[in-house]
Amino acid sequence: DGGITQSPKYLFRKEGQNVTLSCEQNLNHDAMYWYRQDPGQGLRLIYYSQIVNDFQKGDIAEGYSVSREKKESFPLTVTSAQKNPTAFYLCASSPLTASGANVLTFGAGSRLTVL
Amino acid sequence: AQRVTQPEKLLSVFKGAPVELKCNYSYSGSPELFWYVQYSRQRLQLLLRHISRESIKGFTADLNKGETSFHLKKPFAQEEDSAMYYCALSGYNNNDMRFGAGTRLTVKP
Repeated sequence: DGGITQSPKYLFRKEGQNVTLSCEQNLNHDAMYWYRQDPGQGLRLIYYSQIVNDFQKGDIAEGYSVSREKKESFPLTVTSAQKNPTAFYLCASSPLTASGANVLTFGAGSRLTVL
Repeated sequence: AQRVTQPEKLLSVFKGAPVELKCNYSYSGSPELFWYVQYSRQRLQLLLRHISRESIKGFTADLNKGETSFHLKKPFAQEEDSAMYYCALSGYNNNDMRFGAGTRLTVKP
């Protein structure tokens, strides 16, 4: 069953704690993405990666960190420096094309709540 | 920098009526534009992309570079079209995809 798996689906965290969200894909896609989805604000790009061991900041990278040690995996760490971390987080992947017209495949999302 | 604007957060039409979801963009290079849809309790998925020039589920979208728009249209809305719609943009030879704020479409019986 090919696709993207995000875990956990729900996560609760106390203020001051770091938390890591998992994203795994078996689609053999080169590119992977993390978005934050808030009501009324759509999807905002946090980080993306086009190749193993390389990643770029998106529009709201502050307070987040990522790694890309394997093609299949792109974990996102929400650090204590993120001022407003309660949100729904979406991971996506896509093949790379020369034109950039890449179709993204999305995971089911992870909802993080800071208590 | 890339930017996508969807001016309507909510849009409500009756079944059988035409529907148009607006999308405007700003990008200095050559854009690649997409519409994604999220039905209730389903994952976000591609609806259509301008490069394919296709009609999916009766929806079409034309890229208007002069007006920097990529509006989504359907002549006769159906109740099953009720969903959240996102316009998205990436640049040619550029793989970072930016999304608009989304429009929630409700088709009433």
